[in-house]
Amino acid sequence: DVKVTQSSRYLVKRTGEKVFLECVQDMDHENMFWYRQDPGLGLRLIYFSYDVKMKEKGDIPEGYSVSREKKERFSLILESASTNQTSMYLCASRTGTGTEGYTFGSGTRLTVV
Amino acid sequence: GENVEQHPSTLSVQEGDSAVIKCTYSDSASNYFPWYKQELGKRPQLIIDIRSNVGEKKDQRIAVTLNKTAKHFSLHITETQPEDSAVYFCAAKWGAQKLVFGQGTRLTINP
Repeated sequence: DVKVTQSSRYLVKRTGEKVFLECVQDMDHENMFWYRQDPGLGLRLIYFSYDVKMKEKGDIPEGYSVSREKKERFSLILESASTNQTSMYLCASRTGTGTEGYTFGSGTRLTVV
Repeated sequence: GENVEQHPSTLSVQEGDSAVIKCTYSDSASNYFPWYKQELGKRPQLIIDIRSNVGEKKDQRIAVTLNKTAKHFSLHITETQPEDSAVYFCAAKWGAQKLVFGQGTRLTINP
């Protein structure tokens, strides 16, 4: 079973703090994704990566950056957290070939106060 | 870019009845359409998917239909059970890797 692990389940940060959300997958998947989930808006893509050190902007990249130094790890960075970034953040991965479905992590509920 | 609209946002049905959730997409090049189920406090899980070369796919009580001409696809759940209560998301593949998701449908099964 593919495992996608997000390091924190709940996180509370102050406005202006730099925040790191970590995601690790154990199945050698090429593609990794960061989404945020908000009621009524579904899942919106922030950034994704299709290879080590490669990244592409999704639909809502403003205020975020990412890092993929190793294949198994994809980090989401909030450079200066703001209250409108309070949300559920979901990491996902998939192989570059074959099945196209994502495997999601359990999510990190971030609250910025 | 791709846009996916999902309806309804909430759906309440009696146990044993059928539930239908509908999605429309904008990019005619999309060729892969998965459905995810997210139970309360849990991660989204893939429950069924369909590719653009077929019009219907069934897995026990769950079926998905695709109308490429109209650019819409639907999830059908028959003989609903309490454990079907969850939020359901449709999605469409955009480009080589990305999935664009609908807004989600909260399905409640009433005993």
